[in-house]
Amino acid sequence: KNEVEQSPQNLTAQEGEFITINCSYSVGISALHWLQQHPGGGIVSLFMLSSGKKKHGRLIATINIQEKHSSLHITASHPRDSAVYICAVGGSGGSNYKLTFGKGTLLTVNP
Amino acid sequence: DTAVSQTPKYLVTQMGNDKSIKCEQNLGHDTMYWYKQDSKKFLKIMFSYNNKELIINETVPNRFSPKSPDKAHLNLHINSLELGDSAVYFCASSQLDFTDTQYFGPGTRLTVL
Repeated sequence: KNEVEQSPQNLTAQEGEFITINCSYSVGISALHWLQQHPGGGIVSLFMLSSGKKKHGRLIATINIQEKHSSLHITASHPRDSAVYICAVGGSGGSNYKLTFGKGTLLTVNP
Repeated sequence: DTAVSQTPKYLVTQMGNDKSIKCEQNLGHDTMYWYKQDSKKFLKIMFSYNNKELIINETVPNRFSPKSPDKAHLNLHINSLELGDSAVYFCASSQLDFTDTQYFGPGTRLTVL
């Protein structure tokens, strides 16, 4: 069973700050997802990583497979970034059809 | 054009009733999923279907029966609803498996009274 730990659980920042959210997992995986859940409840996929680093606009995601760790960075944070950010991993236990989720990080960006 | 749609968005019902939630994707994906998000916002997979075939059943009670009439649809039928079934249920799809981007439906908030 893969344990997925996210930190911090809650994060409050001022607009413009650089944000980092961390995700660690216990068992080797094939892919890691970063998801964003808006206050209204909808879930959007931000990144899917199997190695290295990806960038999309102000968002950067990195993964270190050896250390079983991933980070999500937000540069120049904005109040519209306020959401729950969820890390999910897949491929452990030989199943390609199952994601295991972290408990999420609630980010609040104040103007 | 919604990629993954679910109906209904809200469902309020009494304990013991039977209800269904429908999910459709127009992305041409091969795999569809049902996830449950509890009151603490924790997401957990319930089922995975690939090309209408059940792949994952994550120790979900028999009262939950998914049905996939074709690869664009994955419906969830729940018998004898219990208070603990109250949650938000999300449908999702991906091209093949979890190594592809997941596309989520808007969710169905189920409240069992």
